[in-house]
Amino acid sequence: AQKITQTQPGMFVQEKEAVTLDCTYDTSDPSYGLFWYKQPSSGEMIFLIYQGSYDQQNATEGRYSLNFQKARKSANLVISASQLGDSAMYFCAMREYVGDTGTASKLTFGTGTRLQVTL
Amino acid sequence: SAVISQKPSRDICQRGTSLTIQCQVDSQVTMMFWYRQQPGQSLTLIATANQGSEATYESGFVIDKFPISRPNLTFSTLTVSNMSPEDSSIYLCSAEGEGFSEAFFGQGTRLTVV
Repeated sequence: AQKITQTQPGMFVQEKEAVTLDCTYDTSDPSYGLFWYKQPSSGEMIFLIYQGSYDQQNATEGRYSLNFQKARKSANLVISASQLGDSAMYFCAMREYVGDTGTASKLTFGTGTRLQVTL
Repeated sequence: SAVISQKPSRDICQRGTSLTIQCQVDSQVTMMFWYRQQPGQSLTLIATANQGSEATYESGFVIDKFPISRPNLTFSTLTVSNMSPEDSSIYLCSAEGEGFSEAFFGQGTRLTVV
């Protein structure tokens, strides 16, 4: 079963508008973390925002916010006031704890959403 | 946050040859990871590299094809051996910070095999 699901292969948004990129996840572990990354055409992975499973409040970083709905197992990324430079691939990822040592597991990535910002 | 320098940023290689990709982190990190991203696809973990032990490979990836070194807590290399056009991908290294919430990436290596 997919651990991270991004159902939107592509999205369009007009400049200055807000856009929501969907992400749902599947885990039975009570301790986990959710990440969003931006990948421009250059290929680098740029960290945007992180949400821990025990965090009471939704994470925010500038124009990025994470709409975390734990019961629904969703962690949608909201980008406010879109800019042309926001055009890129966006990946949702999850990390879980493994083993008795509590060390973090690898990141599991979704398939990504390509966002295109238009004038 | 950690800064990861990865090189080369891109290369075009002949089939049958090998390429070594280097990652340098500006602070000591326990775990480093190597990912492959085939064209139009998501990231797939190749292996986890811990200092002082053999790398742990994911299903479908073998040491003979992707040997990894981790000589210290700030450096790692990935070699793509006996390359074929199917190895054309972006290869990314990643490092974990002190906190569970930190996972940083290098700039990526865009490899084309001809």
